[in-house]
Amino acid sequence: RKEVEQDPGPFNVPEGATVAFNCTYSNSASQSFFWYRQDCRKEPKLLMSVYSSGNEDGRFTAQLNRASQYISLLIRDSKLSDSATYLCVVRGTSYDKVIFGPGTSLSVIP
Amino acid sequence: GAVVSQHPSRVICKSGTSVKIECRSLDFQATTMFWYRQFPKQSLMLMATSNEGSKATYEQGVEKDKFLINHASLTLSTLTVTSAHPEDSSFYICSASGQGTYEQYFGPGTRLTVT
Repeated sequence: RKEVEQDPGPFNVPEGATVAFNCTYSNSASQSFFWYRQDCRKEPKLLMSVYSSGNEDGRFTAQLNRASQYISLLIRDSKLSDSATYLCVVRGTSYDKVIFGPGTSLSVIP
Repeated sequence: GAVVSQHPSRVICKSGTSVKIECRSLDFQATTMFWYRQFPKQSLMLMATSNEGSKATYEQGVEKDKFLINHASLTLSTLTVTSAHPEDSSFYICSASGQGTYEQYFGPGTRLTVT
């Protein structure tokens, strides 16, 4: 089993749609979790950290379920500019290596 | 804040030569830096983790004598690809993390082409 797994995608959704991405991780000792987005041929950019209580940033909502070792990202009212690959990232302590999921591709269609 | 730069952004070199890539944290002290490689349409693959003043920790399958990493200061890490071969052609990305923080910030990447 891979350390971090994500929905394979791609997701093709119309503008305005709500889309959810799922991510599971295998190491129960993992302590911090993030969602990054990566545009084609660019570096990943931090989208949001994921906290145990769940957190929301505008149209984006991230949730963490430690018991199930599961992370989700919900995007409401999708925009064309949301088209990118979304990477689930899991990390232990500050000095532990970071594990990236394989990414889920999203295309928002006019 | 949390800006990371990389230089060069693009490099083309001949097989057998060495290439050095610099990664700098511009507005914070990076106690830990990570080096990744990404082939087209594939996910990021961690190559090594380096803590300032210590030897880098390489991931399994990454040759430490081929990919030399130096993290001599809290704002600079370098990756040298020695005796480059065409199969080393890839997108190399660094990231940096400050002390006591879990987020990492990425440089813009270096696209290496070995001919």
